Amino acid sequence: NAGVTQTPKFQVLKTGQSMTLQCAQDMNHEYMSWYRQDPGMGLRLIHYSVGAGITDQGEVPNGYNVSRSTTEDFPLRLLSAAPSQTSVYFCASSRTRQGAGGYTFGSGTRLTVV
Amino acid sequence: AQSVTQLDSHVSVSEGTPVLLRCNYSSSYSPSLFWYVQHPNKGLQLLLKYTSAATLVKGINGFEAEFKKSETSFHLTKPSAHMSDAAEYFCVVSDRGTGNQFYFGTGTSLTVIP
Repeated sequence: NAGVTQTPKFQVLKTGQSMTLQCAQDMNHEYMSWYRQDPGMGLRLIHYSVGAGITDQGEVPNGYNVSRSTTEDFPLRLLSAAPSQTSVYFCASSRTRQGAGGYTFGSGTRLTVV
Repeated sequence: AQSVTQLDSHVSVSEGTPVLLRCNYSSSYSPSLFWYVQHPNKGLQLLLKYTSAATLVKGINGFEAEFKKSETSFHLTKPSAHMSDAAEYFCVVSDRGTGNQFYFGTGTSLTVIP
C-alpha cells in the first residue's frame, strides 16, 4: 500500500550512541518532515525538506541531522543520543510544501534513551 | 505569530451523546486548518481540513468542523459518539506567513464511556 514507512518501530539506545531513523514514501511527495511527540506538547517539527537536496531546520533541530538525497527517502540521524531525546518520532509527507491536502504520517518510531 | 490552542486536554462523553472538541487559533493570514486523530500506538490520520472553501467542513467517521473567522475557532463536533472514537485529537494550523509549516495543538484525549 502507498504511504509513509518508518523503521524501526521501537528502539532502545544508550546515552552517547548514534542511530538513524528511516523514512520512505512512495507517493512522489516533494515535502517531507520529521516531528517528535512528547506528552502534553503535541508534535514539534525537527527538520523538513521541500525536495531532494534541500533541507531546513524546524522548531527543535538540536541533536539531529537530516539529508534528502532522493525524493523517496528522508532519514533522521541522532548524533549522540541523550535521555531528552526519548520520544515518539513521526515522519510526514505531502505533495507540496503548502500541504493543502494534509500530511500523510508514518506509524512512528518509539525511541528510548537510557 | 501563529499558534493553536486546544482548550481541553481531556474530554469524556457517554456513547451516543454529542462530541465537542474545541480549538482556537491565531494567524496573520488566511489559515489552513486541520483535525487529525491518533489512536493508541498508531500514527496520525487526517479527519478533515479547511482551506478557504466552505466554512462547514465534513470529514470521515461523521465528524465535522466549522471555521469561524470572527471567533478564530475551528471546533470539532460529532452528533453521536461511538466507542471507536476514543483517541487523541490534534488541531493543526498553517499559513503562508510562516512558510506553511504545520503547527500542532497539544491534543485532546477523548474518552467514550459505555
